[in-house]
Amino acid sequence: AQSVTQLDSHVSVSEGTPVLLRCNYSSSYSPSLFWYVQHPNKGLQLLLKYTSAATLVKGINGFEAEFKKSETSFHLTKPSAHMSDAAEYFCVVSVSGGSYIPTFGRGTSLIVHP
Amino acid sequence: NAGVTQTPKFQVLKTGQSMTLQCAQDMNHNSMYWYRQDPGMGLRLIYYSASEGTTDKGEVPNGYNVSRLNKREFSLRLESAAPSQTSVYFCASSVRQGAGQPQHFGDGTRLSIL
Repeated sequence: AQSVTQLDSHVSVSEGTPVLLRCNYSSSYSPSLFWYVQHPNKGLQLLLKYTSAATLVKGINGFEAEFKKSETSFHLTKPSAHMSDAAEYFCVVSVSGGSYIPTFGRGTSLIVHP
Repeated sequence: NAGVTQTPKFQVLKTGQSMTLQCAQDMNHNSMYWYRQDPGMGLRLIYYSASEGTTDKGEVPNGYNVSRLNKREFSLRLESAAPSQTSVYFCASSVRQGAGQPQHFGDGTRLSIL
């Protein structure tokens, strides 16, 4: 079985300040982990993925995430928020040893203030 | 390169009406998926097709049917629409089914059932 928990439903930051979106996962097998971004009235777009290579993963638009097995976490960070980062973010887990069907978190809405 | 194309983008139905949502991808992907997105619920899998000629139920299949018409196209049918099916529906595709496979999403169909 697998599950994912996004610890904050909303995160509010000021432009130019760091972003931290938190994600914890649970899985019986080695997980693959993803972060997707969804802008209003759009589909989801892949930001980055972890698939058992380097634990620090760099994605698009300056985002990165660190896989911490001991903490079962995969938090998303960005050093400096931009207004265009305002969107909904989804953490997703998928595991081998099963049907590979991904499980989505409930999403975190990132609000960026000028 | 269009990616994943969903039609229609918006639709309003009356309870009991039927409708088919269309999805096509031009990336030569083997696997395709249908999700629904409701506020605060993340994305929930309705049906998926691991490869042409196969379909399987996801987390919330009741009230829906699917057809994998060919490698490119995967349609979702509501036989007798109910207000509980008011949602945003997303189609996605991936190269193949597998834990590390990212998904590519369409822009969604916004469906309201009165």
